[in-house]
Amino acid sequence: KQEVTQIPAALSVPEGENLVLNCSFTDSAIYNLQWFRQDPGKGLTSLLLIQSSQREQTSGRLNASLDKSSGRSTLYIAASQPGDSATYLCAAPQRISNFGNEKLTFGTGTRLTIIP
Amino acid sequence: GAGVSQSPRYKVAKRGQDVALRCDPISGHVSLFWYQQALGQGPEFLTYFQNEAQLDKSGLPSDRFFAERPEGSVSTLKIQRTQQEDSAVYLCASSLDVGRAYEQYFGPGTRLTVT
Repeated sequence: KQEVTQIPAALSVPEGENLVLNCSFTDSAIYNLQWFRQDPGKGLTSLLLIQSSQREQTSGRLNASLDKSSGRSTLYIAASQPGDSATYLCAAPQRISNFGNEKLTFGTGTRLTIIP
Repeated sequence: GAGVSQSPRYKVAKRGQDVALRCDPISGHVSLFWYQQALGQGPEFLTYFQNEAQLDKSGLPSDRFFAERPEGSVSTLKIQRTQQEDSAVYLCASSLDVGRAYEQYFGPGTRLTVT
């Protein structure tokens, strides 16, 4: 059974700083890993999907890395802005029986606050 | 194009009432998932459809929860005799096809409050 842990649970940093969010997972037999953003009262916005064949994936100021052997992924945010304030969720897939599709197992998230 | 939509966005129910939550996936998407997100927690898997077939319902917390997708597009999650512990955000996600490479796209969720 896949279990996902995110550290820290909450983080406050001044605007402009670079920061790293951590995610660990127990079952390393994954095909990909996904990072999401969730604003208060809103649904999930997909940020980055890293395939197991990749080690990094970048989108703008965001960079996600994946190390299957150690069961870890990190999300790096460069030059943070107040608009980055949100909860960031990491999700690892878990096979649905033999049906070829996968359900996502989420961490509890990191609540990020960027201080202007 | 249109993303995943859910309705209603907010629902308040008195304990014991039945509720029905609707999900409209992205057109043509084969796979549909329901997740439940309690306050301060990450979403947890409830059930999975491939077209109209419900292939996994292992996450449904009790037999009061029932989901259907009769024509392989719109899905409804029904909760009978709601209890306070059912209060949560219910998220729907769809993906284009079956397989490990397909990304899941999430709707905005329905926030259910049981009083």
